[in-house]
Amino acid sequence: EPEVTQTPSHQVTQMGQEVILRCVPISNHLYFYWYRQILGQKVEFLVSFYNNEISEKSEIFDDQFSVERPDGSNFTLKIRSTKLEDSAMYFCASPAVRLAGGNYEQYFGPGTRLTVT
Amino acid sequence: KQEVTQIPAALSVPEGENLVLNCSFTDSAIYNLQWFRQDPGKGLTSLLLIQSSQREQTSGRLNASLDKSSGRSTLYIAASQPGDSATYLCAVRVKAAGNKLTFGGGTRVLVKP
Repeated sequence: EPEVTQTPSHQVTQMGQEVILRCVPISNHLYFYWYRQILGQKVEFLVSFYNNEISEKSEIFDDQFSVERPDGSNFTLKIRSTKLEDSAMYFCASPAVRLAGGNYEQYFGPGTRLTVT
Repeated sequence: KQEVTQIPAALSVPEGENLVLNCSFTDSAIYNLQWFRQDPGKGLTSLLLIQSSQREQTSGRLNASLDKSSGRSTLYIAASQPGDSATYLCAVRVKAAGNKLTFGGGTRVLVKP
């Protein structure tokens, strides 16, 4: 199975601090996604990133969030001033296994657990 | 707006019994539906993907069906084992919503030895 990696696995930060979550998606792919899962809740879409631009974002993805592709392989999610409610598991995802009709299967990284205190 | 619901929220069965997990969605205009497994505190492992033109997909003991017109998918796990204990999530990719996935709340499964 194609592998998506994320670092760190767990990040603890104080409210108001900036955090950067990192992802190495499946190589040679242009489409990347960030999702989050607050404990006990559904997995929610945050943002999709295509060819070095945001292609879609949810209402959760406000001005506190940003995404970048600082080099050819890494993909980052930055939260500028964390709040208690940002505590969640953050997943990046990358499409793979292109199927007929433009379909593809999304593969998820293991996640970064963010704890804001 | 697409809503995805999974019932039941939790399920406990003895080892060897077949599992039936349900997923329903409100907007039938989907590209595909994907089933995932999530172990506690872990990431999402893709199990099966059913394209909108397909009725079912099989992988080993897993079989997923799709009835797009009624907005339903069912995941069957045959002869359950304690190692099947996990949360199972379904997610749909909606045509009108770009490429993102919309997830259900999951069904937490416990297979007792």
